[in-house]
Formats: sequence, structure tokens, C-alpha cells
Amino acid sequence: ETGVTQSPTHLIKTRGQQVTLRCSSQSGHNTVSWYQQALGQGPQFIFQYYREEENGRGNFPPRFSGLQFPNYSSELNVNALELDDSALYLCASSPDPGSRETQYFGPGTRLLVL
Amino acid sequence: EDQVTQSPEALRLQEGESSSLNCSYTVSGLRGLFWYRQDPGKGPEFLFTLYSAGEEKEKERLKATLTKKESFLHITAPKPEDSATYLCAVQKHGGATNKLIFGTGTLLAVQP
Repeated sequence: ETGVTQSPTHLIKTRGQQVTLRCSSQSGHNTVSWYQQALGQGPQFIFQYYREEENGRGNFPPRFSGLQFPNYSSELNVNALELDDSALYLCASSPDPGSRETQYFGPGTRLLVL
Repeated sequence: EDQVTQSPEALRLQEGESSSLNCSYTVSGLRGLFWYRQDPGKGPEFLFTLYSAGEEKEKERLKATLTKKESFLHITAPKPEDSATYLCAVQKHGGATNKLIFGTGTLLAVQP
């Protein structure tokens, strides 16, 4: 196991609601990335946090937002949920965004939007 | 445009039947190429990182190789427990992040 944890494991929401997903990074890692994985697809990069600041973002709208805390854990918030937001949300931690170090993934949060 | 393409989309093998999975990539300035294994409903599990053309890495029945345009994941004498989706991802030089660009994966089923 990687040491990256995520909560909750599963979540059901209705369209228009808001959701918060949580991630604890591996010990010694100060960088957390979030990915969205739709069924049958590869993970898509949402954004990355490094030392409590967002330092890069993929092609996702502003209703996807995040936070990183001093202990390097992170939250992903999604407002105004849409049906297409149903997916597996993955967080990955790594030591430094400028390195070639491997990103280690958590088990994911399965979100279903009805 | 940066792109990662994996083939085949799905592969069914008999136990002991060796084969290869392909990952072709188009990216300006490759920093690294990563292979992950993903079981249904779980997060990707790291397998290998390759950094330069000609590099090879092995782990049990798996061997990964890299050229300037593609990578192969060779599976020798697979067992049913090797059944999973295998994901390939690339990381680019430059930029503020070390984000991964993934392919859509190859779903491998090994039958006893």
C-alpha cells in the first residue's frame, strides 16, 4: 500500500449539490494532485497543490476547487454537481513537482451524481 | 498536442500465454514514462518508471521497455492474478507541475 488515503470511499449526491473529498498524502510528500477518472477512461488531471498553493490546473471549470493544509493533506470541492461529474476521483502524492519522482495514488472516491 | 495511445483496448490470454501491451506517445520533451496497474474500483498501483530510450525494467513476470516513440509492457507466462487494467502515463519537461497524461488503458484478462 502507498500510504495515500482518501475519504469517503463512496458518495451519492444529487445534481446541483456540493461535495468535498479528502486526501492524506504519503509521509514526506508535499505535493498533491487530483485526477478524475470516468468509467473506461484514463485519469484526467484536475489540479495540483504544492506547499498550500495551487500550482497548475487542467481543463476543468472553476466549480472544481481545492485546498491544501499545512500537513499537506488536501481537499477537492465540487460545486453545482452535474451528472457528468460521476467518476472515480483520485489523489496522488509526490515529493516535489519539479522532480521526476513517481506519483503514488490513493484508493479513490467513487462519486455518483443522480 | 500531447497524446498517449494504448493498444489493444482489451486482451484476453490463456494462462502461460505471453504477450505485449503497447503505449505510443506524442509529447514535447519526455521527462518520464510510467506504467500503473489498476484493479476494478481501485487506485492505480505503480509498476515502473522509464526515463530514456533503450531503458528496460523488470518485475516478476513484467518487463517494460522504452523507445523514442513508444513503450511496451511484456507479460511472460501470465497468471490469472495478472488480470487488471494496465495504464501508461507520460510526464513532460517544463511547466510548474509534474502532472501525468494518461492513456485509456489496456484491460487484460488471463484465463486459467
